[in-house]
Amino acid sequence: DTEVTQTPKHLVMGMTNKKSLKCEQHMGHRAMYWYKQKAKKPPELMFVYSYEKLSINESVPSRFSPECPNSSLLNLHLHALQPEDSALYLCASSQGPQGGAGNQPQHFGDGTRLSIL
Amino acid sequence: AQTVTQSQPEMSVQEAETVTLSCTYDTSENNYYLFWYKQPPSRQMILVIRQEAYKQQNATENRFSVNFQKAAKSFSLKISDSQLGDTAMYFCAFHNAGNMLTFGGGTRLMVKP
Repeated sequence: DTEVTQTPKHLVMGMTNKKSLKCEQHMGHRAMYWYKQKAKKPPELMFVYSYEKLSINESVPSRFSPECPNSSLLNLHLHALQPEDSALYLCASSQGPQGGAGNQPQHFGDGTRLSIL
Repeated sequence: AQTVTQSQPEMSVQEAETVTLSCTYDTSENNYYLFWYKQPPSRQMILVIRQEAYKQQNATENRFSVNFQKAAKSFSLKISDSQLGDTAMYFCAFHNAGNMLTFGGGTRLMVKP
């Protein structure tokens, strides 16, 4: 069982749809992450939230919009996606924000497999 | 910026045998952490083992152990008594003090019965 819960597990959407991916953790972690992973490739960092504030945006297109409503929740809002956005989207959390907690590993969810038609 | 290289895209091992996965990295930092993550077909990234760079002693976790060579910037993973459940993608990851992970390209390990 994973301590980071992602919903939905699978999502198929058209290029004009609007949908959201959700991530939840109850470990008291203060840093949360979104990654994109293509098949047979490592995860690529998209966004980092630290204490509910966006701290890193890795030049992600604006059709991806993250949101952190509270310390336990992380959303990724999707709009007007392209076929190349089809991938596994992983959420992760870790105990500390930048600095001072480097030995605390990130805990990953099972991911949402997204397919864009 | 850090780079992490896994030179073995795919490996296979017979059940109960031992296998070693290679990982090298490049960094100018002195304090950092290294991890091996396992990603089975079920998709979840699972932490296998961690190593603090300031510790000379190699980390071990049951059947998993590492050979950490800081001067050579090498961090290999040894899996002893391989089991069918060890079949997965294995990612080496560099973890800096800013809590950022840099992943290697991954090694697909197949354990054969």
